[in-house]
Amino acid sequence: EVQLVESGGGLVQPGGSLRLSCAASGFPFTNYWMNWVRQAPGKGLEWVANINIDGNEKNLVDSVKGRFTISRDNAKNSLFLQMNGLRVEDTAVYYCARNIGFETFDFWGQGTLVTVSS
Amino acid sequence: QSALTQPPSASGSPGQSVTISCTGISSDIGNYKYVSWYQQHPGKAPKLMIYEVTKRPSGVPDRFSGSESGNTASLTVSGLQAEDEADYYCAAFGASQLFGGGTKLTVL
Repeated sequence: EVQLVESGGGLVQPGGSLRLSCAASGFPFTNYWMNWVRQAPGKGLEWVANINIDGNEKNLVDSVKGRFTISRDNAKNSLFLQMNGLRVEDTAVYYCARNIGFETFDFWGQGTLVTVSS
Repeated sequence: QSALTQPPSASGSPGQSVTISCTGISSDIGNYKYVSWYQQHPGKAPKLMIYEVTKRPSGVPDRFSGSESGNTASLTVSGLQAEDEADYYCAAFGASQLFGGGTKLTVL
């Protein structure tokens, strides 16, 4: 059974940092691009970042470039999102999602809530 | 690259059919459009319902179908059931923003 389990969310002050993790199981992790998608409270879905199978190609939405870094550890079947310089507008549930090609996401984690507030 | 536009709401009675549109699809990859649709119930993660415009993942009822015409993709839910009440998002490879704004489907 495919499982994606996010962790690492929480309450942080503006300007602070958090590192999100996504533990993958039930499928060959190294065969898939992986993504982070977020959803602000009461709002729609927003793609945040993706990473290719060996981690040497990464893409980020413009609003997080220079602040967020996506990475993966294939030996540990894990995906990460390092978030620095957090802003109030980064408050959202962050989902990791498996990409089966052309930005199609067939499995999603349950999400982890990041709240940026003073 | 265009933004994807969805109606904010749609509704239908049990047993009826409802179609949700997603405008702003542009041709890509040899004129093939990679459009997907996601269902999201409150407090839950999104679920893939349709991909590559018309394909259904295993386990998705055949009441859900996808189509496209020109720059518009559509999701049709036939034989509406109470559990179909949810938010629905389209997504298109190559769009300026991957996801549409979402449509809240209400089963009356």
